[in-house]
Amino acid sequence: QVQLQESGPGLVKPSETLSLSCTVSGGSISIYYWSWIRQSPGKGLEWIGFIDHNENTNYNPSLKSRVIISVDTSKNQFSLKLNSVTAADTAVYFCARGCCGADYYFDYWGQGTLVTVSS
Amino acid sequence: DIQMTQSPSSLSASVGDRVTITCQASQDINNYVNWYQQKPGKAPKLLIYDASNLETGVPSRFSGSGYGTDFTLTISSLQPEDIATYYCQQYDHLPPSITFGQGTRLEIK
Repeated sequence: QVQLQESGPGLVKPSETLSLSCTVSGGSISIYYWSWIRQSPGKGLEWIGFIDHNENTNYNPSLKSRVIISVDTSKNQFSLKLNSVTAADTAVYFCARGCCGADYYFDYWGQGTLVTVSS
Repeated sequence: DIQMTQSPSSLSASVGDRVTITCQASQDINNYVNWYQQKPGKAPKLLIYDASNLETGVPSRFSGSGYGTDFTLTISSLQPEDIATYYCQQYDHLPPSITFGQGTRLEIK
């Protein structure tokens, strides 16, 4: 059974960089795609971006200038960096596995981690 | 960018009712629509992929249909455990991007 677990600071100061990691267990990170998705309090879901094991990335155009997603296959982990954060970046951040074929859907999710941007 | 318009934004129904939620895409997206259920404090759960395929383990009262721009999630007989928020999601190849609908909050009457 594939499991994903987010980790990282729960509080980030405005203008600083939000950094999160997602550890994948029960399966190899060297196949499929790996995404970050966020959900602001009381709001809907927003896709941030995805990466594959060859480090090919695609980002939401609205966040592209501030986002970097990377992968470490030796640790079965992938990571998110979002720079120059503001209060609007306060959200629950989920990591998820993307699958399959011509479509792209999220079949496994982490439990989510709340990141608050505040001084 | 492709936009997904989901309706209704909220819905109240009785146990046993047939419930329908719709998503309309701003352009043709073949069958690249997926549906999720999210309960409070939890991650979303995949229900339907490729518009009409039931994810393993999901009860058969859930079904999906549609192609092109109009898509539907149906619950054939609403159960108390179905109370949640439902989201559609689309995948666009060129350039690769993913968009969610605004969500439908489903409540029991």
